[in-house]
Order: sequence, then structure tokens, then C-alpha cells
Amino acid sequence: EAGVTQFPSHSVIEKGQTVTLRCDPISGHDNLYWYRRVMGKEIKFLLHFVKESKQDESGMPNNRFLAERTGGTYSTLKVQPAELEDSGVYFCASSRRLAGSFYEQFFGPGTRLTVL
Amino acid sequence: RKEVEQDPGPFNVPEGATVAFNCTYSNSASQSFFWYRQDCRKEPKLLMSVYSSGNEDGRFTAQLNRASQYISLLIRDSKLSDSATYLCVVNRGSGGSYIPTFGRGTSLIVHP
Repeated sequence: EAGVTQFPSHSVIEKGQTVTLRCDPISGHDNLYWYRRVMGKEIKFLLHFVKESKQDESGMPNNRFLAERTGGTYSTLKVQPAELEDSGVYFCASSRRLAGSFYEQFFGPGTRLTVL
Repeated sequence: RKEVEQDPGPFNVPEGATVAFNCTYSNSASQSFFWYRQDCRKEPKLLMSVYSSGNEDGRFTAQLNRASQYISLLIRDSKLSDSATYLCVVNRGSGGSYIPTFGRGTSLIVHP
């Protein structure tokens, strides 16, 4: 079974530019999460999709961040315009349909974003 | 106070040692609990879930104390390959979703 994949693995952009990160979850996983880890800090939840619907986006920092999951398959996270504080590692994770209170999330390798 | 707190370490132990990590959480409505392992510059991977009754997987034992809002992970007979960062993760329910909150992680270094 193929794992969660993310593209690109690294991105270096200038402040004010736009960047789009992509996540391909494990096939058949309805749940898709985005997280961010800023250097020296803990991993922070950004948002959760169930299929194509945003279930919870309470962790999105501000309206410069836009996540989509058209068709309920892959997801994109766009940052426009990027600011210096957006630098960090962006992880995507997926899991099977929620069953009770436990589910295992499988993480992708992350996209390392550097904003100069 | 952070929602999930862990001692960052590093814990530097010799092979064969027993080491214990602790984690406290502040939200009493938290519903499920996990330990993840993260190797340097890699993604987190689930190590084990944590139940009130305690659970064991080989050399690893996890324990949850809901009254004290405390989670632990015990590693016996440490191996060099156990060197990694161990993340405590606490889920809280939110309108049909589960929002994971991560601790900053505890770094373990096992040396020969």
C-alpha cells in the first residue's frame, strides 16, 4: 500500500510570493489533516477534511492560507502571500473513516517551506 | 500553560537501560491518547495508543492516568535504534472531528 505523499519536498520562496503544497493521502482514507511545525515548536493542527468537506479549520493561522480537497482525493494548501513566519515543515496525514475515538494517522514526509 | 507538556530532554542512556517519559495534558475533555515516534527529519509514526488499563507492546509500556491527566511511556532494554523523538499526542473531540494536540517531544539518545 502506497503511503501518504507530499509535493514538493522543499520550497524556498520570497516573502509575498505564493506557494501551493500538495498532499496525496492513502487511497480510501476519508480523513485528511494538515499540520505545521515551526522550528523549535510543537506540531500544530491546521485543518481536517472528511472527504471533500472541511470538518474543522480552527487551526488555520489566517486568511492567507487556503486548503482544498476537490473530489475528496488529494488536497492542496495554498499560502498567498507568504510571510516570513510561514516558514516550517508542513505535514499531511490521512486516516480511515473515523471509528470511535481511535484512528491511526499516517503522515506524509512533509514539505519544508522556507520564506526569505 | 501548554495543552500538552513533555520534558524535551535529551535523555542520554546506554544500551540496555530502562527509560521513562512523561506527558501531562491540560484539557480534561481529552478522549484518546497516543505516543508517536519521529526520527530526525522524518515524519511522525504511531508507536502505540494509550489506554487507562495500560498497554504493552514488546519493550514498550504505555500508561494513562485520567485523574492526574498524565501519560507515560516506558522503554525497557533500550536499543540504539530507539534513538528518536517521542511525541505525546492527545485528541479532543470537536463536532464530529478529533483534533490532535502534540507535545513538543522528548528526545532520546541511546549510546553504546
